[in-house]
Amino acid sequence: GQNIDQPTEMTATEGAIVQINCTYQTSGFNGLFWYQQHAGEAPTFLSYNVLDGLEEKGRFSSFLSRSKGYSYLLLKELQMKDSASYLCAVMDSNYQLIWGAGTKLIIKP
Amino acid sequence: SQTIHQWPATLVQPVGSPLSLECTVEGTSNPNLYWYRQAAGRGLQLLFYSVGIGQISSEVPQNLSASRPQDRQFILSSKKLLLSDSGFYLCAWSALAGGYNEQFFGPGTRLTVL
Repeated sequence: GQNIDQPTEMTATEGAIVQINCTYQTSGFNGLFWYQQHAGEAPTFLSYNVLDGLEEKGRFSSFLSRSKGYSYLLLKELQMKDSASYLCAVMDSNYQLIWGAGTKLIIKP
Repeated sequence: SQTIHQWPATLVQPVGSPLSLECTVEGTSNPNLYWYRQAAGRGLQLLFYSVGIGQISSEVPQNLSASRPQDRQFILSSKKLLLSDSGFYLCAWSALAGGYNEQFFGPGTRLTVL
């Protein structure tokens, strides 16, 4: 079967750095996505990785290791507005997205 | 630029009543269209997807159905709602071609079945 695993909840302090991990087992691999979802709102796209390595985009970076079936999202200089759920999704061999349950990130002042 | 609309934003319906949720996309042609459901504190469950007019693929057998009467219109329906149909319903679109296929989401409909 296909499976995406993420921690259910994480807590971090404003101004700090947090790393959200995602491991996956899917039928084929055509890229990994990270989305941000604020409570009661739709998910919005953060990043896409299809090759191994680190992709940096401002305060957010995403890393992929295809051989390990592993990715992480790194958030730097945390702000209160970063409190949200972060969803990991993998595109399988049929180009369908398989979604993780999301990691709820709580930022404390 | 592309935009995606969903309505209504919230809906409270009694068990056994019908349902119709509508989604429209502007600014693109031949999009892939998707219906997802998200239960409270859970991930996204793909319900239906469509690669063209009249072409619907169902991922989960249930009392819901979907239709795509026009290129940029996607409708989610039910003849008789169940309590378990409560959730946050999201419509999404992506470019039709394979490969990198980021999905863009509408604002969602929060459905409560009582």
